[in-house]
Amino acid sequence: AQSVTQPDIHITVSEGASLELRCNYSYGATPYLFWYVQSPGQGLQLLLKYFSGDTLVQGIKGFEAEFKRSQSSFNLRKPSVHWSDAAEYFCAVGPSSNTGKLIFGQGTTLQVKP
Amino acid sequence: EAGVVQSPRYKIIEKKQPVAFWCNPISGHNTLYWYLQNLGQGPELLIRYENEEAVDDSQLPKDRFSAERLKGVDSTLKIQPAELGDSAVYLCASSRLAGAYNEQFFGPGTRLTVL
Repeated sequence: AQSVTQPDIHITVSEGASLELRCNYSYGATPYLFWYVQSPGQGLQLLLKYFSGDTLVQGIKGFEAEFKRSQSSFNLRKPSVHWSDAAEYFCAVGPSSNTGKLIFGQGTTLQVKP
Repeated sequence: EAGVVQSPRYKIIEKKQPVAFWCNPISGHNTLYWYLQNLGQGPELLIRYENEEAVDDSQLPKDRFSAERLKGVDSTLKIQPAELGDSAVYLCASSRLAGAYNEQFFGPGTRLTVL
């Protein structure tokens, strides 16, 4: 069965420091991969997505992610974190191109220290 | 353009009571999703509509949950009767069409507390 694992439940980084959030997936074929961000009281917002092609994808708000097939990973990175990045981040896999059904990881809460 | 609208934002009820959630998707979006998000977890799909047809309701607990999308626009998700374990956030999302290539836009959710 398809699944997504986000190993880190909670991460704290200092403002200005770099960030990497981990995501591992289990799926037989090349999946469609997504990262969403959820701020308190807000809906999920798409940061970036990977379907095919270049394995390094750029997203909004200065985020990027790299697809590594050999490691079944799709880690999210940002070179310099801002206080406004504090939120919950979800990795998701879309096993079917036709349905749009998404399977989400359990999320990683990012706290940013001043 | 206006985003996905959900109401109410918060709802507190006692167990065994009925409750309903309403969702207005982005104009022109044919596909509508209802997700359940338990505390500390990622969203889980409950049901997906393409226009007014429920095309994937395999995860919807049909003994107590029901949903409808009349006229292929607004949608309502109902629980009757509610149980303590139903306390969660119920998210609605919409996309122009079904399929992974069509971005899903999420509403702010309805936070349900069952006492």
